[in-house]
Amino acid sequence: AQSVTQLGSHVSVSEGALVLLRCNYSSSVPPYLFWYVQYPNQGLQLLLKYTSAATLVKGINGFEAEFKKSETSFHLTKPSAHMSDAAEYFCAVSGDSSASKIIFGSGTRLSIRP
Amino acid sequence: DAGITQSPRHKVTETGTPVTLRCHQTENHRYMYWYRQDPGHGLRLIHYSYGVKDTDKGEVSDGYSVSRSKTEDFLLTLESATSSQTSVYFCAIGSSGGNEQFFGPGTRLTVL
Repeated sequence: AQSVTQLGSHVSVSEGALVLLRCNYSSSVPPYLFWYVQYPNQGLQLLLKYTSAATLVKGINGFEAEFKKSETSFHLTKPSAHMSDAAEYFCAVSGDSSASKIIFGSGTRLSIRP
Repeated sequence: DAGITQSPRHKVTETGTPVTLRCHQTENHRYMYWYRQDPGHGLRLIHYSYGVKDTDKGEVSDGYSVSRSKTEDFLLTLESATSSQTSVYFCAIGSSGGNEQFFGPGTRLTVL
């Protein structure tokens, strides 16, 4: 069975500062891992995904995430926050492409201070 | 953007009335999903489908039913709406169950 935990329901950073959103997963098989972003009043949009290729995954809008098996983590980072990054971010996990569904975390709301 | 539309986008209804939400895709994806999103709960899976007439329950299926008679359409029905079903409902599609999903714009449902 798979599960995912996002640490911190709300993160606030200053514009230009490092963004770090934490995600830990539990999976009985090598996982597929995803980060999604949701802007206000919109649906979720895929930021990036890990499917057992490179452990460092680059996504859209300057975000990247590193898969660390020893820590069962898949934290999302961006070197320099921009005001437009303010949104809710969801981490998700699945067993593999044959699984019937993916499991979402509860989300982290990112606020950017001017 | 993936070709997913949801209708209606907003709906206000009264307790006890039936409500049907529609999800339509033009991507020919096999898997379709209905989620609800509520503050503090993130996304919760209601029902999903892995093919025409093949559906299964998610974690919060009570009070909801679904139907999929065509690849492109996935309907979510609230047989008798309750105030606890006030939420934002998202449809998603995927080419395989465990791979990434693409989301529709959402339907905001208010049950008075």
